[in-house]
Amino acid sequence: DTAVSQTPKYLVTQMGNDKSIKCEQNLGHDTMYWYKQDSKKFLKIMFSYNNKELIINETVPNRFSPKSPDKAHLNLHINSLELGDSAVYFCASSPGTGWTGELFFGEGSRLTVL
Amino acid sequence: DAKTTQPNSMESNEEEPVHLPCNHSTISGTDYIHWYRQLPSQGPEYVIHGLTSNVNNRMASLAIAEDRKSSTLILHRATLRDAAVYYCILRDSNGNKLVFGAGTILRVKS
Repeated sequence: DTAVSQTPKYLVTQMGNDKSIKCEQNLGHDTMYWYKQDSKKFLKIMFSYNNKELIINETVPNRFSPKSPDKAHLNLHINSLELGDSAVYFCASSPGTGWTGELFFGEGSRLTVL
Repeated sequence: DAKTTQPNSMESNEEEPVHLPCNHSTISGTDYIHWYRQLPSQGPEYVIHGLTSNVNNRMASLAIAEDRKSSTLILHRATLRDAAVYYCILRDSNGNKLVFGAGTILRVKS
């Protein structure tokens, strides 16, 4: 069983469309994250949720809206997609806030905006 | 967030040890030193972390300088599968996030 799973793995869409990426973790963790890796390969944190509550929001355009229906799921919805949104998006989880150990990452979702 | 400095790339021969350095001169007393790696087309993978003492696990060893301003990730016998980008990251004890730098691209030659 995959610990942190993301769907879809690949997503190709047109500018202006709205799309969602889903993430689920089966580790029983309380905290989940979204990271973005752009073409220059830098990994940047976007959001973090702890037990369905937003705790980190890193100056991301408000076209990006995370939603956590329960602590095992953190979805990322993107409105009015732009070319610059093309990137690989990684979901991650950890046991809780203040956790100083390992983060578990998913395989990534590659979004291409044409 | 305190910053880390790593070489852009390093090369190693298969079956030989690899020492990946990291400088973190502005580290604070509560910062943990984390290492992750990212294999091609995969998500980041945890390697090891420590606070003050050297650490060993099945993947690697982490040697932390006495003043904690630098650390070294040691892969004892590099394999082709270890070719990846290695990230050295500082994370404070209250930290809920990892801030990734550019990392070191490790190439392993057979």
